[in-house]
Amino acid sequence: EAQVTQNPRYLITVTGKKLTVTCSQNMNHEYMSWYRQDPGLGLRQIYYSMNVEVTDKGDVPEGYKVSRKEKRNFPLILESPSPNQTSLYFCASSNPGFGPQHFGDGTRLSIL
Amino acid sequence: GQNIDQPTEMTATEGAIVQINCTYQTSGFNGLFWYQQHAGEAPTFLSYNVLDGLEEKGRFSSFLSRSKGYSYLLLKELQMKDSASYLCAVRGGGSSNTGKLIFGQGTTLQVKP
Repeated sequence: EAQVTQNPRYLITVTGKKLTVTCSQNMNHEYMSWYRQDPGLGLRQIYYSMNVEVTDKGDVPEGYKVSRKEKRNFPLILESPSPNQTSLYFCASSNPGFGPQHFGDGTRLSIL
Repeated sequence: GQNIDQPTEMTATEGAIVQINCTYQTSGFNGLFWYQQHAGEAPTFLSYNVLDGLEEKGRFSSFLSRSKGYSYLLLKELQMKDSASYLCAVRGGGSSNTGKLIFGQGTTLQVKP
């Protein structure tokens, strides 16, 4: 089954404790992206990757890092999480330039 | 700047037809998508328009006018399970971010019996 898998689905943690949200897709998509979704603000792109070892900032990259060492995986790293990063996060993948983006089930992060 | 506008909330009756409008102003345009999102769940793809006109897919249809920067999603024979948020998104990332989607804030549709 074609899918995008995120882990964990839920996480409550404290300020400053490094965390990683994993994302994996099995559709051989080149393009992967991370979004955060906040009430009243919609989905906003954090980082994206056009292919292996090619990543760039989206609209709200501050406080986040990513890596793309393999085509299928695109982890999101919060080196020193802060409460303003409490949000619902989605990973998505597609072929660039055409076709819809497929979204993972989401990760709800609470930073205390 | 880049902007996508859609109504915040709409209410309709089971069995009826509802039209959700979306207007956009983006620096590039490579297609417009509609997604459905139930509360706390992932957005799921509904429709895609890149050329002007109507695309029909079962109970759902989507229309695009590129010259007007306008799209709508039409839902027919509404069912209770259609209660969800509907997200309008434009792919307009230019040559350096060809997959980027710019999302509107979403329209929350409530279907009443």
